[in-house]
Amino acid sequence: GQQVMQIPQYQHVQEGEDFTTYCNSSTTLSNIQWYKQRPGGHPVFLIQLVKSGEVKKQKRLTFQFGEAKKNSSLHITATQTTDVGTYFCAGPLNDYKLSFGAGTTVTVRA
Amino acid sequence: DGGITQSPKYLFRKEGQNVTLSCEQNLNHDAMYWYRQDPGQGLRLIYYSQIVNDFQKGDIAEGYSVSREKKESFPLTVTSAQKNPTAFYLCASSIKSPGELFFGEGSRLTVL
Repeated sequence: GQQVMQIPQYQHVQEGEDFTTYCNSSTTLSNIQWYKQRPGGHPVFLIQLVKSGEVKKQKRLTFQFGEAKKNSSLHITATQTTDVGTYFCAGPLNDYKLSFGAGTTVTVRA
Repeated sequence: DGGITQSPKYLFRKEGQNVTLSCEQNLNHDAMYWYRQDPGQGLRLIYYSQIVNDFQKGDIAEGYSVSREKKESFPLTVTSAQKNPTAFYLCASSIKSPGELFFGEGSRLTVL
């Protein structure tokens, strides 16, 4: 079964507002990756976090890796229509494969 | 341009037929993967390969087969034994396992 869980499954956001999506693992992860999939498209790598407590920013996106390396979050400020899509987190299940969360699908109200 | 090419983009097949999905990469990556995506279920791993002439089953390998005769190519065959094959299939590669994944544009298979 899936090792990595994501919440919420759906996020409906008013344009200009902030939101956060969360990722939790049952075990300690060596790293966590985040991907974005636009509607009708394929997943595209956004970022990888490796260190405990690490925080990285990409413009309006802030990614955080928990101190225990079992959870992660993605916070988007001032949501825009270009943020629409599904955001996935993924963590290594072993040395060879990633376990993906079910994703958070974001829609934006203009 | 370097990247991953999947074909066909859309495919229809009748029940009982096998179908092969193509995946080619020119990124010189050693590792390649096949994922299946269904609505609300994220990405589930079907097969993966870390090196030529070697591959391993993922979480949902039943009804699927693969080969890795060349570094650049990792075709997936959906056999008639796959009970619910209608899905979006994504091929990916990475420099190392399990590093950053580069995905193809996907193949959408519909069984009629």
